[in-house]
Amino acid sequence: GAGVSQSPSNKVTEKGKDVELRCDPISGHTALYWYRQSLGQGLEFLIYFQGNSAPDKSGLPSDRFSAERTGGSVSTLTIQRTQQEDSAVYLCASSQRRSEAFFGQGTRLTVV
Amino acid sequence: RKEVEQDPGPFNVPEGATVAFNCTYSNSASQSFFWYRQDCRKEPKLLMSVYSSGNEDGRFTAQLNRASQYISLLIRDSKLSDSATYLCVVNGGGYQKVTFGIGTKLQVIP
Repeated sequence: GAGVSQSPSNKVTEKGKDVELRCDPISGHTALYWYRQSLGQGLEFLIYFQGNSAPDKSGLPSDRFSAERTGGSVSTLTIQRTQQEDSAVYLCASSQRRSEAFFGQGTRLTVV
Repeated sequence: RKEVEQDPGPFNVPEGATVAFNCTYSNSASQSFFWYRQDCRKEPKLLMSVYSSGNEDGRFTAQLNRASQYISLLIRDSKLSDSATYLCVVNGGGYQKVTFGIGTKLQVIP
C-alpha cells in the first residue's frame, strides 16, 4: 500500500488477556518504530527496528511487551497480561535512512 | 539529557501573532531535521524538513543552527487552524534512528 497500515484500528480487551498489534510499513522502508501515546500526552518511544533487528528497545515498559519484525517488513507488538495502564494509542512509523518518518493511523487499545 | 528537548507549552497566542518554537538536540552527529504537526487524536504528519540554509514555506520558516545544536520554527500571521502540537524530529542521532521531541502545544485564540 501507499502508506503505513496498522491493524486493528481499535481493540478492546479484558485485563489479563494478551493482545497483538500489527504494522505494515511502507514498502522498502528499512526502519520501523513503535510508539504509544496516552490522551493529551506526548509520544512515548517503545522500540526501533532496522531491518529485522532491534538495536534500540529501551522504551519497552516491561517484559510484558515484546515486538518482532519479519522479512524486513511486517511488525507485531505483543502485550501479554494486559493492564489498564496499557490503554493508549499505539502508533507505528517507518522511514528510510536519514528521511522523514511516516505514521500509521494507530491502534487505540482499551483495557477494561 | 534527552536526545531532543522542547518546551511543551502551551503557547496561547492571538490570531495574527508571530510565534517561534525552539528545539535542542544532544547528538552532534545528527543528520536530518524535521518539524511535524500533530492534531488532536490524529497521527503526527510532516510539516517541513529543516535544511542547513534555512527554509520557508508560506507563513512557516524553519532554521537549523548546527553549532548550537538547535532548530527553530517560526509561524507568522497565526491562524486558528494552526492550533496543534508541533514536534521537533531528529534523524541520525543515537542508533541512527528518528527521535521525536515531546512536542510544543500551540493554541491560537480568536
